[in-house]
Amino acid sequence: DGGITQSPKYLFRKEGQNVTLSCEQNLNHDAMYWYRQDPGQGLRLIYYSQIVNDFQKGDIAEGYSVSREKKESFPLTVTSAQKNPTAFYLCASSIDLMARPPNTGELFFGEGSRLTVL
Amino acid sequence: AQKVTQAQTEISVVEKEDVTLDCVYETRDTTYYLFWYKQPPSGELVFLIRRNSFDEQNEISGRYSWNFQKSTSSFNFTITASQVVDSAVYFCALSEVGTGFQKLVFGTGTRLLVSP
Repeated sequence: DGGITQSPKYLFRKEGQNVTLSCEQNLNHDAMYWYRQDPGQGLRLIYYSQIVNDFQKGDIAEGYSVSREKKESFPLTVTSAQKNPTAFYLCASSIDLMARPPNTGELFFGEGSRLTVL
Repeated sequence: AQKVTQAQTEISVVEKEDVTLDCVYETRDTTYYLFWYKQPPSGELVFLIRRNSFDEQNEISGRYSWNFQKSTSSFNFTITASQVVDSAVYFCALSEVGTGFQKLVFGTGTRLLVSP
């Protein structure tokens, strides 16, 4: 089945440790995104990438890093610099809108990774 | 700056009731897109609809309908004859045109609980 796979589903981290969340898609989408979800705050964009080897900061990029070495993979590293990392992280992908307009603008989401800092 | 407000934090209804989820947005752009997404307990967000700012025609899809009114900057979502499977968190979102859809601005979501 085509879709987005995030792993792990649940993750516990001690303070001061970096942790990497995996996101893989087999939809052949060009664009990929990372969102953070906190209770009562909706979703906020961390990073996004429109093409391999290129990515841009979103609204809350501080304390996070990403890479896009392959089209299907967009891992997110939560570094020790992130002061409040406990949250639900969602990865998404979409067709590159500039290459193939028009389309619905739909984002396809994974099932998320819940990170808890102990 | 763009902003999406979903004032209803949680709504509880009994099955077969109709329910309307409110969404009010703010933007300086004259052209933009509006979205609704559903987040079931499994966690992933599921796309429901996209609306262009230049198309105010209301839309109906089965038990779902959307009322877009530019005059009041609202994009409300109605579920007719609600079912237990409709229980989820629903998000309204806004995006500029031209920059692509990458930078969606989400509302804080409305949790809908449908009891049998």
